[in-house]
Amino acid sequence: NAGVMQNPRHLVRRRGQEARLRCSPMKGHSHVYWYRQLPEEGLKFMVYLQKENIIDESGMPKERFSAEFPKEGPSILRIQQVVRGDSAAYFCASSRSGENIQYFGAGTRLSVL
Amino acid sequence: KQEVTQIPAALSVPEGENLVLNCSFTDSAIYNLQWFRQDPGKGLTSLLLIQSSQREQTSGRLNASLDKSSGRSTLYIAASQPGDSATYLCAQYGNKLVFGAGTILRVKS
Repeated sequence: NAGVMQNPRHLVRRRGQEARLRCSPMKGHSHVYWYRQLPEEGLKFMVYLQKENIIDESGMPKERFSAEFPKEGPSILRIQQVVRGDSAAYFCASSRSGENIQYFGAGTRLSVL
Repeated sequence: KQEVTQIPAALSVPEGENLVLNCSFTDSAIYNLQWFRQDPGKGLTSLLLIQSSQREQTSGRLNASLDKSSGRSTLYIAASQPGDSATYLCAQYGNKLVFGAGTILRVKS
């Protein structure tokens, strides 16, 4: 059973470009969570999604950031018009319905030039 | 507001020492508490998960305890080795998973 898969592992974007981060949850998991780790800081919750629904987006910046988890395919975290301050590691986790344990992917490291 | 605090922020010890990392949390409505290890530039490795009904969990040289009444968890590492050098994160499950800022551990050979 493959773990949580994130791609790409590393992503380089220039200021103003769009970044798309993908997360495939573990098999049988229908809940996905995104976290951001800024340099020298801890992980901060961004958004919690179930299939086709955003459950909690209280940690998402108000502008430029969006997330989706479609019926088919991976969850996508999209950052429009990236700025240098978006440079961070973005981690995805998934859980099974009814279980309160999250399993983490290896992360995507976004560098904005 | 759910907050998790880890003390100390950094720790440097000689090889072979036993050590304790501390984690405190403000929300007593805890479900589970989990300890992770993170190596520089890497992802998270789950070390121990303590369910809310449990008081401790052990894995090899690691032992984690949970005291809900005092809002504390400790991670005990026995006979530390240079390979234990990493950042150790504790995280509390509540309405969402909240992480502490971590303890940076360096074990000197």
